[in-house]
Amino acid sequence: GAVVSQHPSWVICKSGTSVKIECRSLDFQATTMFWYRQFPKQSLMLMATSNEGSKATYEQGVEKDKFLINHASLTLSTLTVTSAHPEDSSFYICSATRVGLQETQYFGPGTRLLVL
Amino acid sequence: RKEVEQDPGPFNVPEGATVAFNCTYSNSASQSFFWYRQDCRKEPKLLMSVYSSGNEDGRFTAQLNRASQYISLLIRDSKLSDSATYLCVVGRSNTDKLIFGTGTRLQVFP
Repeated sequence: GAVVSQHPSWVICKSGTSVKIECRSLDFQATTMFWYRQFPKQSLMLMATSNEGSKATYEQGVEKDKFLINHASLTLSTLTVTSAHPEDSSFYICSATRVGLQETQYFGPGTRLLVL
Repeated sequence: RKEVEQDPGPFNVPEGATVAFNCTYSNSASQSFFWYRQDCRKEPKLLMSVYSSGNEDGRFTAQLNRASQYISLLIRDSKLSDSATYLCVVGRSNTDKLIFGTGTRLQVFP
């Protein structure tokens, strides 16, 4: 159990396009979902934390108007990269914690974004 | 200074070798500690949690020294399949946020 999926797994888009990434907990209800970004040879950097039905909490330096997060249900969170630019090209990974087991984060397989 | 620091490696070791990774963290109030493994172009996967008493899972042994704010991972009898990047991860105190180190790359050769 505890499977997290992401869609799409990779996307290539033109500069100025908005891209939506979905994160789903398939077999459990997620208390909280996290969004990370990882550039090549760097660590995962937490972008934001989202709880169902409330506004996401963004980490310092992450523009909330650029990276829109919607957490409409206990099994789905979406990240929209608005007006993407080449510097937004990265590996975006979500994770989720189960209701009652907040310490363990289950990671999705990630989404590779390439902005041309 | 980064909140979690690791030697990036790479560590190149032959099969059967024992290899140790170290990690230091800066926030003394940190409460939870983990080692994750990340294969190339994949998501990180939990290898093991780390406790003050030390814990072992097969060929893997993790140690935590709170006084020195130091975490270690020992891999015995290395296998080719152990080749990956090992991420030291610390839970930020009073939250459920995880802080990742940049990882230590291990390459096991035949």
